[in-house]
Amino acid sequence: RKEVEQDPGPFNVPEGATVAFNCTYSNSASQSFFWYRQDCRKEPKLLMSVYSSGNEDGRFTAQLNRASQYISLLIRDSKLSDSATYLCVVNRREYGNKLVFGAGTILRVKS
Amino acid sequence: NAGVTQTPKFQVLKTGQSMTLQCAQDMNHNSMYWYRQDPGMGLRLIYYSASEGTTDKGEVPNGYNVSRLNKREFSLRLESAAPSQTSVYFCASSDPLGDKTYEQYFGPGTRLTVT
Repeated sequence: RKEVEQDPGPFNVPEGATVAFNCTYSNSASQSFFWYRQDCRKEPKLLMSVYSSGNEDGRFTAQLNRASQYISLLIRDSKLSDSATYLCVVNRREYGNKLVFGAGTILRVKS
Repeated sequence: NAGVTQTPKFQVLKTGQSMTLQCAQDMNHNSMYWYRQDPGMGLRLIYYSASEGTTDKGEVPNGYNVSRLNKREFSLRLESAAPSQTSVYFCASSDPLGDKTYEQYFGPGTRLTVT
């Protein structure tokens, strides 16, 4: 079983739609959680950190459920520019601040 | 401020050839990492360097060696390339003592094909 699992998609949605991605992680010792965004043939970039209480950044909302070991990302009012692969990422303090990446969920927003 | 730079951007090797991927960062970060990304697999850590002068294996180190030349530079060497090493290689850096404690900054990647 992969340490971080995501639905690969693709999620095809119209502009303006609300879309949600989920991610599960297997290591209960994981302490920090993130969503990264990766555009086609580009490097990953941090989208947002995920805090226990949930957090919002504009149209993006992230939630963490430690008991069930899942993380979610909600995107409201989708834009064409949101089309990308979204990577669920967890951190473990061992191995020098190692990040463990999910394989990603592909989002395609269409006009 | 270029962030993280990698060279080359593309490379084609024949089986058995060797090469070194170069990475440099200008953010004064202590930690640097090498990942490979394959379809459906996510990024996997090859080697990392928690600070200048130290290197450690990640989850897929076989077939690779690294050198932390100084605080800025971290190179990845393939001594005898194999087709299984065809992948996209990303270098990243972070500063665990910084404000965004665990954010890693990635270079643009090297697309390597081994025939």
